[in-house]
Amino acid sequence: QTVVTQESSFSVSPGGTVTLTCGLTSGSVSTTYYPGWYQQTPGQAPRTLIYSTNTRSSGVPDRFSGSILGNKAALTITGAQADDESDYYCVLYMGSGILVFGGGTKLTVL
Amino acid sequence: EVQLLESGGGLVQPGGSLRLSCAASGFTFSSYAMTWVRQAPGKGLDWVSSISGTGSSSYYADSVKGRFTISRDNSKNTLYLQMNGLRAEDTALYYCARDRPTVTTPLSWGQGTMVTVSS
Repeated sequence: QTVVTQESSFSVSPGGTVTLTCGLTSGSVSTTYYPGWYQQTPGQAPRTLIYSTNTRSSGVPDRFSGSILGNKAALTITGAQADDESDYYCVLYMGSGILVFGGGTKLTVL
Repeated sequence: EVQLLESGGGLVQPGGSLRLSCAASGFTFSSYAMTWVRQAPGKGLDWVSSISGTGSSSYYADSVKGRFTISRDNSKNTLYLQMNGLRAEDTALYYCARDRPTVTTPLSWGQGTMVTVSS
């Protein structure tokens, strides 16, 4: 069974840049997986940041960008701010109506 | 503005049943696939099930296949999740989400309804 992988945790300094990744235990992520990214703070519903690899959801600042880097999907945050401290999840479309979420990355801004 | 309001959660004994509902507004409901995602306490997001805009196609995670049934009533702008044979591991906050016109990526989320399976 293919598992979607994410870093368990990451830290970034205020104003810095961080890239989170989303991979597969078997194979490479491509645009055909329609990678999506979500931000979630404690007690809140997920907020959609990116869909279809690199399309920003409405109202999402351009500090957030999505791409394919090597064999993984990537979410890059530039100019990190304190309120970017959240859990970040990716999702991949595996075909035949099946979605798989990654385990999430806890981002600390300090 | 897209609005999704889940209801129907609660405490149920193992083996019991619940029916979740998601009332949608602010968009043409029948034009979009819809998805249920759950999150166990302190855990990550877990895809449960999706359904096409017409309701003709439905998809399930292996963990719920044969026990859960997703459906929709486009005349009522409402999504459902019938959950039978509930297990302790089904305990989670269940989110309703609007997908794109076809199932690829949940985009808009409700606030969730809590399901607790315990004796």
